[in-house]
Amino acid sequence: GENVEQHPSTLSVQEGDSAVIKCTYSDSASNYFPWYKQELGKRPQLIIDIRSNVGEKKDQRIAVTLNKTAKHFSLHITETQPEDSAVYFCAARAVRGGYNKLIFGAGTRLAVHP
Amino acid sequence: GAVVSQHPSWVICKSGTSVKIECRSLDFQATTMFWYRQFPKQSLMLMATSNEGSKATYEQGVEKDKFLINHASLTLSTLTVTSAHPEDSSFYICSARLRGEISSPLHFGNGTRLTVT
Repeated sequence: GENVEQHPSTLSVQEGDSAVIKCTYSDSASNYFPWYKQELGKRPQLIIDIRSNVGEKKDQRIAVTLNKTAKHFSLHITETQPEDSAVYFCAARAVRGGYNKLIFGAGTRLAVHP
Repeated sequence: GAVVSQHPSWVICKSGTSVKIECRSLDFQATTMFWYRQFPKQSLMLMATSNEGSKATYEQGVEKDKFLINHASLTLSTLTVTSAHPEDSSFYICSARLRGEISSPLHFGNGTRLTVT
């Protein structure tokens, strides 16, 4: 079935450094790749997404890149701040049997130290 | 816009009882809603896809007779955990997509923390 792998599982950086989280997906039909940020006990919040017809997208300190050939996509956070500390999930959407499904990676726990 | 409300936010029940969780799209219509389950420090695992007016589509390994899903209207889907057991204790989160917009992102409810004693 569809699978999304995410690395690393934990990431610790100093405030101001950059953080990169990488994901690979198995279904070549996947066409939409969102990233969610989840703080403890709260709902996942969409922070950025990219569609398969685009290679890169940026929103202030956050950027996402997509390599369709290699079937991987990455989240880049620059100038990290303590409030960026959270769990980040990548996801990939595939269409199977007429239904869209969003499959999540295992998550990356990001800690930004002042 | 695109607010998804989930109720209750937490529930404690005794083993053997049933629990119903509601997921509502407050300001949009959602033909499709998704139910996820999340164990502590783990990812969101898709349980089933709920479609308005038809039967839900369950993921492999999810018991449809134990996790009953009803999507009676374009703004409401319910998940009933029947004959709950302690191993059903988890964080259940619903999500919804705007009707007719298959390329739009999912909007998540606040989640329901279920504890079965």
